[in-house]
Amino acid sequence: SQTIHQWPATLVQPVGSPLSLECTVEGTSNPNLYWYRQAAGRGLQLLFYSVGIGQISSEVPQNLSASRPQDRQFILSSKKLLLSDSGFYLCATRQGFTDTQYFGPGTRLTVL
Amino acid sequence: AQKITQTQPGMFVQEKEAVTLDCTYDTSDQSYGLFWYKQPSSGEMIFLIYQGSYDEQNATEGRYSLNFQKARKSANLVISASQLGDSAMYFCAMREDYGGSQGNLIFGKGTKLSVKP
Repeated sequence: SQTIHQWPATLVQPVGSPLSLECTVEGTSNPNLYWYRQAAGRGLQLLFYSVGIGQISSEVPQNLSASRPQDRQFILSSKKLLLSDSGFYLCATRQGFTDTQYFGPGTRLTVL
Repeated sequence: AQKITQTQPGMFVQEKEAVTLDCTYDTSDQSYGLFWYKQPSSGEMIFLIYQGSYDEQNATEGRYSLNFQKARKSANLVISASQLGDSAMYFCAMREDYGGSQGNLIFGKGTKLSVKP
C-alpha cells in the first residue's frame, strides 16, 4: 500500500514570503497526485493535480504553483504569500480499482 | 450549482445510537463514484466508504454503511452504534468519470458530528 508524507507539518510565514510544501509518496510508481486546500471550517478545494513528471494541471488561478520534479514528489510553491493562503494543505494520491483518493497528514499554514 | 450538498452543518448523537449523515449530489454522468471521508480534529482525511454508480447493493464497511438511492441522487452515510471517537467532520465526495476528469473529487462542505456520552 502507498504511504504519503508531507513536510512540514505546520508553518507560520509572514505575508510576502515564499513557500515550499513537499509531498512524497512511497509504495507506488507513477501515481496521480493532488494538492488540496482547506480553509478554516470549510471543505476541500482542489488546487493542482499531476498525472506524471512535469505534468501539472491547475484547477484554481491564484498565486500558488506546483511542480513534480520526480515521479513520487509533488511540491506546492508560492513566490509571495497572501493572508488568504492560510489553510490546511493536503496531498493525495489515487489507488485501487475504485480510484479512491488517500490523503497525507497535511500541512497547516498560517500567514501573518 | 453545488454538485455535492450536505445540508447538516452539525449533528448530535447519543453514544451507541445510530446516526445518518445526509448527502445529495448532482451529475449528468452515468458513471461516477461516491465517497465518505472522516476528518478528526487532528486534520487527517480518513477514507471510510465507497459506492460506485453501478453498484446495486449498498456499500458497507464495519459500522459504516452507505444508503445509496440513485434515483434521488442521495448517498447518505449511516454510522451504527456511535462511539465517542466518531466525533469528527464528515465529508461526502463525488468522482465523475467522464473522459479527462482524471478522477478528481468534488467535496461537500461537511457535517460536524458530535457524539454525546
